[in-house]
Amino acid sequence: KAGVTQTPRYLIKTRGQQVTLSCSPISGHRSVSWYQQTPGQGLQFLFEYFSETQRNKGNFPGRFSGRQFSNSRSEMNVSTLELGDSALYLCASSKTSGGAPNEQFFGPGTRLTVL
Amino acid sequence: GEDVEQSLFLSVREGDSSVINCTYTDSSSTYLYWYKQEPGAGLQLLTYIFSNMDMKQDQRLTVLLNKKDKHLSLRIADTQTGDSAIYFCAERSGGSYIPTFGRGTSLIVHP
Repeated sequence: KAGVTQTPRYLIKTRGQQVTLSCSPISGHRSVSWYQQTPGQGLQFLFEYFSETQRNKGNFPGRFSGRQFSNSRSEMNVSTLELGDSALYLCASSKTSGGAPNEQFFGPGTRLTVL
Repeated sequence: GEDVEQSLFLSVREGDSSVINCTYTDSSSTYLYWYKQEPGAGLQLLTYIFSNMDMKQDQRLTVLLNKKDKHLSLRIADTQTGDSAIYFCAERSGGSYIPTFGRGTSLIVHP
């Protein structure tokens, strides 16, 4: 079956703009988690959505938001972009919220560059 | 808060064994796991271990857990050039759905 897909794969924006990233989970998966990966901070959890509800949230400012649709697809939005938002944004899907590690699958990521 | 530490780089010769080490601080960790990330790709779960286990072997991979020292290691036997990647250690406590990742160890395999 198809894996987790993320669009777009690459994105270039300028400071002050906003951006929306999309993640389509594996069919049947209802949980989508988002992570930010940077060389300086490593992998950091942003938030998790399950059945259209935000279940968990990491320590990021309110400029970072997300949502999940009834088909489990999820989007994350970053407003008023800063240079430090340049990162690889990864999403991961699983059938349930908080399941075992082998139940979570990652997408290839969206590489966001802020100029 | 919780912290996971890994060395940044490891260089080995093809055919040798690689050992990637990780230390963590959360004594309530339930799951400890290893991910592999190849260039341009997301994270691929390699293996994971419950905190009540000492060792887990899966083909060329051996995970050792020392709970007393909060030390986790991943041994890759007969390392191949295709094993070149970044390896992330992660832990998750039973009360949290959110894993804490290390910064990743870049494994370079040379002929």
